[in-house]
Amino acid sequence: AQSVSQHNHHVILSEAASLELGCNYSYGGTVNLFWYVQYPGQHLQLLLKYFSGDPLVKGIKGFEAEFIKSKFSFNLRKPSVQWSDTAEYFCAAINNDMRFGAGTRLTVKP
Amino acid sequence: DTGVSQNPRHKITKRGQNVTFRCDPISEHNRLYWYRQTLGQGPEFLTYFQNEAQLEKSRLLSDRFSAERPKGSFSTLEIQRTEQGDSAMYLCASSFQGPVNTGELFFGEGSRLTVL
Repeated sequence: AQSVSQHNHHVILSEAASLELGCNYSYGGTVNLFWYVQYPGQHLQLLLKYFSGDPLVKGIKGFEAEFIKSKFSFNLRKPSVQWSDTAEYFCAAINNDMRFGAGTRLTVKP
Repeated sequence: DTGVSQNPRHKITKRGQNVTFRCDPISEHNRLYWYRQTLGQGPEFLTYFQNEAQLEKSRLLSDRFSAERPKGSFSTLEIQRTEQGDSAMYLCASSFQGPVNTGELFFGEGSRLTVL
């Protein structure tokens, strides 16, 4: 069955710490991968996406993600987090329908 | 505002009543998706449309749930005989699927359902 799994449910970091959030997918065939962010009280917004080409994709607000096909992974990274990055982060994969992981809540302490 | 719009934003109803949510997608988008999200969980896929055709329905979608997109533009999601377990945020998203598919989904603010 098609699924997306995120390893961390809640991550707490101090400002300026580096971030890596794990995401694995189980899809056959071609898949497009996404990271969405949901700030408190707001709707889901796209952070970045991967379709093909360079497996290292850069998104908004200094985020990047690396697609590793052999590991079925698409981990999200940011070298130095800010308090304003506090939000819920969702990995998603699309073949026909789009499936989301359960999300990782990130809390950044000032 | 040319984003995805959903209404009502919040609906409180008694168990057993029927409710209907409406979604107006971005106008040039041919795909429309419905998701359900509960606290601390990711959006769960319910169903999606390509134009007016409903192409896939999740097994989560019981017979009490029905969705339509009659003219390939706006969509409605109806829940009949609501149960307390239906309390959730119902999210609508739209995208454009074409020869060069971007696949990006644009989400609305959601419609929150509370069943008493």
